[in-house]
Amino acid sequence: QSVLTQPPSASGTPGQRVTISCSGSSSNIGSNTVNWYQQLPGTAPKLLIYNYNQRPSGVPDRFSGSRSGTSASLAISGLQSEDEADYYCAAWDDSLNGRVFGGGTKLTVL
Amino acid sequence: QVQLQESGPGLVKPSQTLSLTCTVSGGSISNGLYSWSWIRQPAGKGLEWIGRIYTSGSTYYNPSLKSRVTTSVDTSKNQFSLKLSSVTAADTAVYYCARVSRNWGNAFDIWGQGTVVTVSS
Repeated sequence: QSVLTQPPSASGTPGQRVTISCSGSSSNIGSNTVNWYQQLPGTAPKLLIYNYNQRPSGVPDRFSGSRSGTSASLAISGLQSEDEADYYCAAWDDSLNGRVFGGGTKLTVL
Repeated sequence: QVQLQESGPGLVKPSQTLSLTCTVSGGSISNGLYSWSWIRQPAGKGLEWIGRIYTSGSTYYNPSLKSRVTTSVDTSKNQFSLKLSSVTAADTAVYYCARVSRNWGNAFDIWGQGTVVTVSS
């Protein structure tokens, strides 16, 4: 059972906008920054979003992040087939004094 | 650019100690803007944070693994290491090392490719 809760799966058709949620608590998302990672099949995770809504260079602006209270969201607009991957949220947890991940969401592009 | 590479035995016997090293190339491990982490992923499952180490020697560990984990840094070799003792089959996973960026909200901004460790007799 992960400290951060994500839906196990999400799907969309090419060109659509998809949102993936990440639910936490006041000790993690509610008080610390949230990061999002993309893991393509058979590869290491890659940083997608940091500090809630910032993108490293090279990450398309189709990817965006947001936070509201103790939840965060990753939005992908203009969905493309190469976006098919697992997506993980992460944050520091003050109660556990450690980094926690969501359980991951498998995104399928139909 | 900075790259990370994990190395170590791919097979460890139950009750023994798993030892891995992460070599940092293309940059100095002593750069104060960064700390260094280990993360693992059992086959078909999600990511689990193991711990973080600063080049000052300060450490943070996952509470569920804390009693079995030791990390260290060797600045002369530009490497950091992980030791996990008393391993069981549940420790079988892909182990990743990653750089933690202080300026980016302590995000894992660079990852190694990962190394598979199997615990089996």
